[in-house]
Amino acid sequence: AQKVTQAQTEISVVEKEDVTLDCVYETRDTTYYLFWYKQPPSGELVFLIRRNSFDEQNEISGRYSWNFQKSTSSFNFTITASQVVDSAVYFCALSEPESGYNKLIFGAGTRLAVHP
Amino acid sequence: NAGVTQTPKFQVLKTGQSMTLQCAQDMNHEYMSWYRQDPGMGLRLIHYSVGAGITDQGEVPNGYNVSRSTTEDFPLRLLSAAPSQTSVYFCASRSQGTYNEQFFGPGTRLTVL
Repeated sequence: AQKVTQAQTEISVVEKEDVTLDCVYETRDTTYYLFWYKQPPSGELVFLIRRNSFDEQNEISGRYSWNFQKSTSSFNFTITASQVVDSAVYFCALSEPESGYNKLIFGAGTRLAVHP
Repeated sequence: NAGVTQTPKFQVLKTGQSMTLQCAQDMNHEYMSWYRQDPGMGLRLIHYSVGAGITDQGEVPNGYNVSRSTTEDFPLRLLSAAPSQTSVYFCASRSQGTYNEQFFGPGTRLTVL
């Protein structure tokens, strides 16, 4: 069973639209960490955010915001007023104590295309 | 700091050839790992290390060997390349602390013919 599901394979928006990328995870642990990474067309992986399972506060960083809901096992990512530079593949990932937190379990990624 | 570096950036091999993908980090991180990225599958863990001399298998270890003789270096060896190993390989490192994020290298794109 997939532990991290990003159901949206590709999303296409026009600049200045808001867009939400969904992430649903599955774990038996009460302590775990969730991450979002961005992979721009150049190919590198850029860390965006980390959230631990005990901190359900939403987080905002500029145009980016994250909504963590333990009740629905979701950690969704919203980009407000999207820009062409936001075009990338975005990965949600889970880290659990089972692996000593050494393993990141990635979702399949969501490819976001922002058109001018 | 250079961060996490990987060489080469691109490599083409023939089936059966061997090669080593190099990974180095200059952040004195204890933990290092190798992932492969295939289309539609995200990244999957191949092997990881929690310190010099200590390695362990990840989700897809078959066909790959690793060793960690120094804190800085974590090479990945393909002993007999197969077309199924065509992928993009990423090395990552993180410092001690369960909450710390992993920093990724730029990746190596490997094609096995």
